[in-house]
Amino acid sequence: EVQLVESGGVVVQPGGSLRLSCAASGFTFDDYTMHWVRQPPGKGLEWVSLISWDGGSTNYADSVKGRFTISRDNSKNSLYLQMNSLRIEDTALYYCVKGTLTTVTTQFDYWGQGTLVTVSS
Amino acid sequence: QSALTQPASVSGSPGQSITLSCTGTSSDVGGYDYVSWYQQHPGKAPKLMIFEVTNRPSGVSNRFSGSKSGDTASLTISGLQAEDEADYYCTSYTSSSTYVFGTGTKVTVL
Repeated sequence: EVQLVESGGVVVQPGGSLRLSCAASGFTFDDYTMHWVRQPPGKGLEWVSLISWDGGSTNYADSVKGRFTISRDNSKNSLYLQMNSLRIEDTALYYCVKGTLTTVTTQFDYWGQGTLVTVSS
Repeated sequence: QSALTQPASVSGSPGQSITLSCTGTSSDVGGYDYVSWYQQHPGKAPKLMIFEVTNRPSGVSNRFSGSKSGDTASLTISGLQAEDEADYYCTSYTSSSTYVFGTGTKVTVL
């Protein structure tokens, strides 16, 4: 059974930093592209970032580019999101999402339950 | 990258069919057959319903179907049931090698 378990969400002040983690199990983690998707409270979904199976390729939404860094440790079946220069508008539930084997992710087929990041003074 | 445009709400009676639209541009929906749809019940993680425009994952009811014409993708729910009441989001791959979600549609079963 595929499981994605996020952690690291807390309350942080504007301008602060935070690292989210996602522990993956139930599939061959190092075969798959992985993504972060976020959802502000009461609002819609926003794609945040992706990382290729080997970490060699990453991409980001314009809203987080230059502030967030995605990484992975295949030896630990773990995905990370380093979040710097946090803004109030970064407040959201952050989901770890499994991609596909193909170069382009054609479907987000498994999602974690999310970890809540609150940016507030 | 602007969010794909979805109607804020769609409603229907049990047994009816409803269609949700998802409008983008030639740089996303119109340019690739990488549109997928997600159902989200309150307090739950999104669930994949349709991928690559028309394909249904194993375990998803055949009452759900997808299509695309030009820059607009559609999700049709046939034989509407109470359990279909949820938020629905589309997403597409983009020419920037990123992904964009739709604004979301709240489906209400009357």
